[in-house]
Amino acid sequence: DSGVTQTPKHLITATGQRVTLRCSPRSGDLSVYWYQQSLDQGLQFLIHYYNGEERAKGNILERFSAQQFPDLHSELNLSSLELGDSALYFCASSVGQTPLHFGNGTRLTVT
Amino acid sequence: GESVGLHLPTLSVQEGDNSIINCAYSNSASDYFIWYKQESGKGPQFIIDIRSNMDKRQGQRVTVLLNKTVKHLSLQIAATQPGDSAVYFCAERQDFNKFYFGSGTKLNVKP
Repeated sequence: DSGVTQTPKHLITATGQRVTLRCSPRSGDLSVYWYQQSLDQGLQFLIHYYNGEERAKGNILERFSAQQFPDLHSELNLSSLELGDSALYFCASSVGQTPLHFGNGTRLTVT
Repeated sequence: GESVGLHLPTLSVQEGDNSIINCAYSNSASDYFIWYKQESGKGPQFIIDIRSNMDKRQGQRVTVLLNKTVKHLSLQIAATQPGDSAVYFCAERQDFNKFYFGSGTKLNVKP
């Protein structure tokens, strides 16, 4: 168990809808990263937060947004969903110069 | 700085043999590298890491080699076991806090 908790495990929704994915980092970790994993794109970096502040953006669509709250948990909001947004979404956390520790992901299916 | 995976290469080895999984990274300025193991239905799990000022690091049954001249990383697994069957990803860190992942290699261990 990595100590990173993601909810929900599975999410099925329709095109055009909006969903929120939640991540609780490991105790003491200030950094939270979000990644998208789909069959044809591998693990794609979306965004990084550190202690509540956005620190880096990767290939995150404008329809997607994230935030990190004072208790360090993070949420990834996906709106105007399209079929191509179906993927596994992973959250990872770290502290300092250490490797990322991943949760078990949220599988999003857009129908 | 990102890699795009289309078809997952597969390495098949016999139980007890040594495995070598290779990864080409993209940015010569990357300063930190990590190998992850991902089993079906789970998030990537940290195996071993190496900083750019080193060329070799050993763990328990695993060794990572870094060749900065050709931007190549390899993971060696000694005495491969059926439990090692999984997808293996390398990751490189760029710009201090952006981690980019390779497309992955599927390791299949035959009993």
